[in-house]
Amino acid sequence: EVQLVESGGGLVQPGGSLRLSCAASGFTFTSYGMSWVRQAPGKGLEWVSVISASGDSTYYADSVKGRFTISRGSSKNTLYLQMNSLRAEDTAVYYCAKAYYYGSGTYYDYWGQGTLVTVSS
Amino acid sequence: DIQLTQSPFFLSASVGDRVTITCRASQGISIYLAWFQQKPGKAPKLLIYAASTLQSGVPSRFSGSGSGTEFTLTISSLQPEDFATYYCLQLNSYPLTFGGGTKVEIK
Repeated sequence: EVQLVESGGGLVQPGGSLRLSCAASGFTFTSYGMSWVRQAPGKGLEWVSVISASGDSTYYADSVKGRFTISRGSSKNTLYLQMNSLRAEDTAVYYCAKAYYYGSGTYYDYWGQGTLVTVSS
Repeated sequence: DIQLTQSPFFLSASVGDRVTITCRASQGISIYLAWFQQKPGKAPKLLIYAASTLQSGVPSRFSGSGSGTEFTLTISSLQPEDFATYYCLQLNSYPLTFGGGTKVEIK
């Protein structure tokens, strides 16, 4: 059974840092790309970042580029999101999601339960 | 960036109704579109991918259609468990973008 479990969220002051983790199990972690998606309280979904299966390729939303870094630890089957220079507008529930490949497309079939990040003084 | 415009923003319907949600892309995205259902406090759930392919385990009352810039999600006969918020997501190019969401509530 595929499981994705996020952790590392919490309360942080503006300008601070936080590292989120997503522990993956039930599939061959090194064969699938992974994304982070966030949702501010009462708002819609916003894609944040993606990393390829090999870890060689990454992309970011403009809103987090230069501040957030996505990475993966193959030996630990864990996805990370290092978040620096945090702002109030980064307050959200952060979800990790596993890629699913169909034809020439990449979709996201499994999602974690989310971890809440609150940026406030 | 590709913008996705979902409509309506809010939909009030009764059990048994046929419901259609539309997602329009600002430029062509072929069939690289997915639909998700989200209930309060829960993670999004994949319903449809590649515009019209039903995800395993999803009831057949859900269907998707479209290509290019216009897409639809249809629920043929709304059930009580279908009251939720629905999002489209384009996966044609980065940055990935979601539609604004459609909240389906009980009439």
